[in-house]
Amino acid sequence: SQQGEEDPQALSIQEGENATMNCSYKTSINNLQWYRQNSGRGLVHLILIRSNEREKHSGRLRVTLDTSKKSSSLLITASRAADTASYFCATVHPSGYALNFGKGTSLLVTP
Amino acid sequence: DSGVTQTPKHLITATGQRVTLRCSPRSGDLSVYWYQQSLDQGLQFLIQYYNGEERAKGNILERFSAQQFPDLHSELNLSSLELGDSALYFCASSVGARADTQYFGPGTRLTVL
Repeated sequence: SQQGEEDPQALSIQEGENATMNCSYKTSINNLQWYRQNSGRGLVHLILIRSNEREKHSGRLRVTLDTSKKSSSLLITASRAADTASYFCATVHPSGYALNFGKGTSLLVTP
Repeated sequence: DSGVTQTPKHLITATGQRVTLRCSPRSGDLSVYWYQQSLDQGLQFLIQYYNGEERAKGNILERFSAQQFPDLHSELNLSSLELGDSALYFCASSVGARADTQYFGPGTRLTVL
């Protein structure tokens, strides 16, 4: 069953703008991860944030985690056309082994 | 390139048939996970193997089975196929038994006619 829910379902922006995607989840987590999927391709791991962390950066990516609200956000700054993809959040339950994915946010970045 | 390989890339078959999907994990990874991605269900975890043993089960149908061999490659067997089994099947691998960063293969697209 889906654990995370991303919002919005789809996002269209222009190059240079920032893109923000949100993820809400339902149960306790060990960590939360964000993945990117280009159309019909495999998923690529972007960033992992642990339950005791509040914010993490990686290049143009900034992830926040609020465990009290059971939510996370992914910010992509200065977006590029190559950022066009679907973005998924995935959670790991403390006693779990596998990733529980949301349905994803489809991001379109136009030149 | 994640280092995870999956074969075949595409598979077209008929209802009632049986197919086998193959996955080779990244060198050094002991865990293999199988996921199914469809338009209506999204990405669903099916099953995990760690060093040859089944470690966790998700939404895997009884018609589906998997195994991990001594060389750590894994196979997912789908039998008595139905139209609804049409989906992208991904394999992922990780170093340990617990799900930290997972590395995904390119997927096998299964079409059941």
